[in-house]
Amino acid sequence: EVQLLESGGGLVQPGGSLRLSCAASGFTFSSYVMTWARQAPGKGLEWVSAISAGGDSTYYAGSVKGRLTISRDNSKNTLSLQMNSLRAEDTAVYYCAKGRGSGWYVPIDNWGQGTLVTVSS
Amino acid sequence: EIVLTQSPGTLSLSPGERATLSCRAGPSISISYLAWYQQKPGQAPRLLIYGTSSRATGIPDRFSGSGSGTDFTLTINRLEPEDSAVYYCQQYNSSPFTFGPGTKVEIK
Repeated sequence: EVQLLESGGGLVQPGGSLRLSCAASGFTFSSYVMTWARQAPGKGLEWVSAISAGGDSTYYAGSVKGRLTISRDNSKNTLSLQMNSLRAEDTAVYYCAKGRGSGWYVPIDNWGQGTLVTVSS
Repeated sequence: EIVLTQSPGTLSLSPGERATLSCRAGPSISISYLAWYQQKPGQAPRLLIYGTSSRATGIPDRFSGSGSGTDFTLTINRLEPEDSAVYYCQQYNSSPFTFGPGTKVEIK
């Protein structure tokens, strides 16, 4: 059974930093594209970033480019999201998600339960 | 960036009825790269349909997808109370892999 367990969320001041982690199990982590998506309170889903199976290629939403950095450690089955220069509008539940294959152009077929990031003074 | 719009914003129907949800893409996308997700309150999203019309594992055949180019549809036949949720379309044709704003389905 695929399991994705996010951690690292919390309260941070504007301009601050936070690092989210996602522990993956139940599948061959190194064979799949991984994604971060987020959902502001009471709002819809927003795609944030994705990383290739090997970790050598990444994509970002324009709203986070240059501030958020996705990475993965295939030896530890862990996905990360380094979040810098945080803004109030980054407040959201952040989901770790697994692609349905190793290629870029795949849907998300498994989601974690999410971790809440609140940016406020 | 590909923008997805969904209509209607909210759909209120009775059990047993059919729900028809629309997702419009601009510019057009390949049918291979359009998915639908269901999200219930307090839960993570769940993949329903990918590649416009392929059902994900465990999804009942009451759910079906169709469309091409710029217009895509999710149809839910014989609505059940458990279908009450928000439904999102997503394109994975090109980055950023955007989601639509969602359609809320309410069961009367």
